[in-house]
Amino acid sequence: KQEVTQIPAALSVPEGENLVLNCSFTDSAIYNLQWFRQDPGKGLTSLLLIQSSQREQTSGRLNASLDKSSGRSTLYIAASQPGDSATYLCAPLVDKIIFGKGTRLHILP
Amino acid sequence: NAGVTQTPKFQVLKTGQSMTLQCAQDMNHEYMSWYRQDPGMGLRLIHYSVGAGITDQGEVPNGYNVSRSTTEDFPLRLLSAAPSQTSVYFCASRTQGTLNTGELFFGEGSRLTVL
Repeated sequence: KQEVTQIPAALSVPEGENLVLNCSFTDSAIYNLQWFRQDPGKGLTSLLLIQSSQREQTSGRLNASLDKSSGRSTLYIAASQPGDSATYLCAPLVDKIIFGKGTRLHILP
Repeated sequence: NAGVTQTPKFQVLKTGQSMTLQCAQDMNHEYMSWYRQDPGMGLRLIHYSVGAGITDQGEVPNGYNVSRSTTEDFPLRLLSAAPSQTSVYFCASRTQGTLNTGELFFGEGSRLTVL
């Protein structure tokens, strides 16, 4: 049974800091892994998709890494901004896609 | 392309009523799924389908029925609504396959209140 854990559960930091959000999963037989953000009361926005054959994927100030063998993914946010405030979710992509509870991020101006 | 379309966006039901949440995608995705999201509980998988005619249970399937008669549509049925089913429901889809399993696309959500 897939279990997904995201650490920390919440994070509040001043603007400009570099951040690391962690995602761990128990079933390493995944196809790919996807990171999302969700603003309060809104839907999910896809941030990055890491193919199982890749180890990293970058988009702007975001960089995600994937280590299937250890069941871990990390989302790195560089030079954080107040607009980055949201809940971040990871999803190991298998047939039965389970989400973690996310990391609630608050960037202080 | 419209992507993943959910209807209705808002619905209020009385306990015991039945209804169907509709989900349609125009991307020819084999995989479709339904989630519910409650405060503090994150997204929980209700049912999913890897292709037409195939459905399977997720984490919280009780009280919900699904069917997949076409590739495009994946309706979620509440046969007798209960207040515990008050939630925001999200439908998602993606391509399926070991070599080309693509990213997951979400609909905008359907907010259901059961009185």
